Amino acid sequence: GESVGLHLPTLSVQEGDNSIINCAYSNSASDYFIWYKQESGKGPQFIIDIRSNMDKRQGQRVTVLLNKTVKHLSLQIAATQPGDSAVYFCAESEGNRDDKIIFGKGTRLHILP
Amino acid sequence: DTGVSQDPRHKITKRGQNVTFRCDPISEHNRLYWYRQTLGQGPEFLTYFQNEAQLEKSRLLSDRFSAERPKGSFSTLEIQRTEQGDSAMYLCASSLVGRGGTEAFFGQGTRLTVV
Repeated sequence: GESVGLHLPTLSVQEGDNSIINCAYSNSASDYFIWYKQESGKGPQFIIDIRSNMDKRQGQRVTVLLNKTVKHLSLQIAATQPGDSAVYFCAESEGNRDDKIIFGKGTRLHILP
Repeated sequence: DTGVSQDPRHKITKRGQNVTFRCDPISEHNRLYWYRQTLGQGPEFLTYFQNEAQLEKSRLLSDRFSAERPKGSFSTLEIQRTEQGDSAMYLCASSLVGRGGTEAFFGQGTRLTVV
């Protein structure tokens, strides 16, 4: 079946540098994408979302890029801080049908001092 | 409203016992999800509700699992005759669909350990 996946299971970044977390999706009907952050022992926390009619969306220190041609999604975190250490998941949905949200496997972001 | 609330936070049960978890979504959220998460994996979809209607149940889900949302507010997830493989974090999420926003907000989860 179709699913959302990630390229790298673990990403180590120096504190203060920018982080880029990648995600590949395979359901061409997906039109709504979400990034979540999950800290140990907690539920996933919404970071930012993007709809398929957009290529880029910015939030506070975060930017999501969507490339529909190659079915690729990325999350950029500027000036990475120790508090950014977590597992990051991308998720997808056929939002135009208000369909369920499906998650990928996640990338662990490790911040180096 | 303080967000999605799940109870209990932790549950240890013996194999073969039944367990029931409760989820209280964010007020006025019409969509409610249940997910299961094991260590190192992303949340796995189990089932979801629109108001009181159960829209879909994962084909991977055993018949031992059942969920209800009788009044379109809180929901319960029951696992009958628990097995060790049921040990996981059970996550509930809610969202408001039909008004433009569809991101789901998660509770802290119920961690189930079957011994």
